[in-house]
Amino acid sequence: DTGVSQDPRHKITKRGQNVTFRCDPISEHNRLYWYRQTLGQGPEFLTYFQNEAQLEKSRLLSDRFSAERPKGSFSTLEIQRTEQGDSAMYLCASSLWAGNEQFFGPGTRLTVL
Amino acid sequence: KNEVEQSPQNLTAQEGEFITINCSYSVGISALHWLQQHPGGGIVSLFMLSSGKKKHGRLIATINIQEKHSSLHITASHPRDSAVYICAVPLMNYGGSQGNLIFGKGTKLSVKP
Repeated sequence: DTGVSQDPRHKITKRGQNVTFRCDPISEHNRLYWYRQTLGQGPEFLTYFQNEAQLEKSRLLSDRFSAERPKGSFSTLEIQRTEQGDSAMYLCASSLWAGNEQFFGPGTRLTVL
Repeated sequence: KNEVEQSPQNLTAQEGEFITINCSYSVGISALHWLQQHPGGGIVSLFMLSSGKKKHGRLIATINIQEKHSSLHITASHPRDSAVYICAVPLMNYGGSQGNLIFGKGTKLSVKP
């Protein structure tokens, strides 16, 4: 399978703990996006990368959130000191270039107790 | 006001019915995406279109750039079409390149046998 993969698929954590998610985009895709989706809502943009450069960050991305794409391939999204409001589905997508179709991963569902 | 508005929010149909989901947007765009999300979270790209009409199997997507409106039609609907359908447009950066997607809240479709 050469689609976008995300790990883990589910994460349950206690408030105050740190969590890290991983996204592996489709090989050779230059653009990588992170979105967050809460129940009953459409996804919301968090951040995106062009190769290893983080080009844009949403105001939703507080200083507790950090994302990296160190070698321009996989990306990690870390949430420090998790809060109950962080509970959501975290979606990763990739595209060949800007303006191309985005391919989505299965998402990581985070539950903060 | 949301930049991407979808209607209806919920739609129940009988198997075989013709279905229309509408999307209106307020920003200038170069393309519009229709996405499908099944329970469990996975998002699949159905169409990316910038003008006219596209057809794939029983799915048809149309767009009117001047009126900033798009429709997704499903002919001969089937229970397996039950899903959330999401309209999304790319945010245009100052340089004219496309950034992240802005999503509608989605239309939850349930097709009864």
